[in-house]
Amino acid sequence: QVQLVESGGGVVQPGRSLRLSCAASGFTFSTYAMHWVRQAPGKGLEWVAVISYDGSNKYYVDSVKGRFTISRDNSRKTLYVQMNSLRAEDTAVYYCTRGGGDFGQLFDYWGQGTLVTVSS
Amino acid sequence: AIQLTQSPSSLSASVGDRVTITCRASQDINSGLAWYQQKPGKPPKLLIYDASSLESGVPPRFSGSGSGTDFTLTITSLQPEDFATYYCQQFHTYFLLTFGGGTKVEIK
Repeated sequence: QVQLVESGGGVVQPGRSLRLSCAASGFTFSTYAMHWVRQAPGKGLEWVAVISYDGSNKYYVDSVKGRFTISRDNSRKTLYVQMNSLRAEDTAVYYCTRGGGDFGQLFDYWGQGTLVTVSS
Repeated sequence: AIQLTQSPSSLSASVGDRVTITCRASQDINSGLAWYQQKPGKPPKLLIYDASSLESGVPPRFSGSGSGTDFTLTITSLQPEDFATYYCQQFHTYFLLTFGGGTKVEIK
């Protein structure tokens, strides 16, 4: 069965960096686009970034452009997001999701999420 | 960016009720809309894609309709396990995927 397990969350000071990881299993990781979606405490869902199946294409929501970098290692079946210059408004649960649908534009499987808290 | 407006933001209903949630897009998105269900402390679950296609394993009491700018999620005969928050998501603009603000379905 499809499993996505995030790790790397924690408490970090504003302006610092953090890298999240997502270990995938139960499907052919190298053939799917992958996304990060976040949810601030008590708030709605926000798409953050997507990476194509081979890592050649990456797109970001405007609020993280230039600060976050999505990447993947298909040999390790792992998705990453490097988060730099973190702000209080980046505080959220970060979910790793598989890109389903014809063009990887749906979120058909989700991890349990990892909480990132940006606070001094 | 395409904005999605859900209504209502919350509703109270009883087991067995028919529930309708709407999602309005700020521009034409054809049928590029999905619906998700999220229970407290859990990740969302995909229910509907392409506006009206039921994801595998989702009970048929869930249905979606609409195209263009106006969409609806309907739950016929609400069950206890359906009390949750529901989100719509557009994928018409692939490079900037967006969600609606959510609709919380509570027990009356």
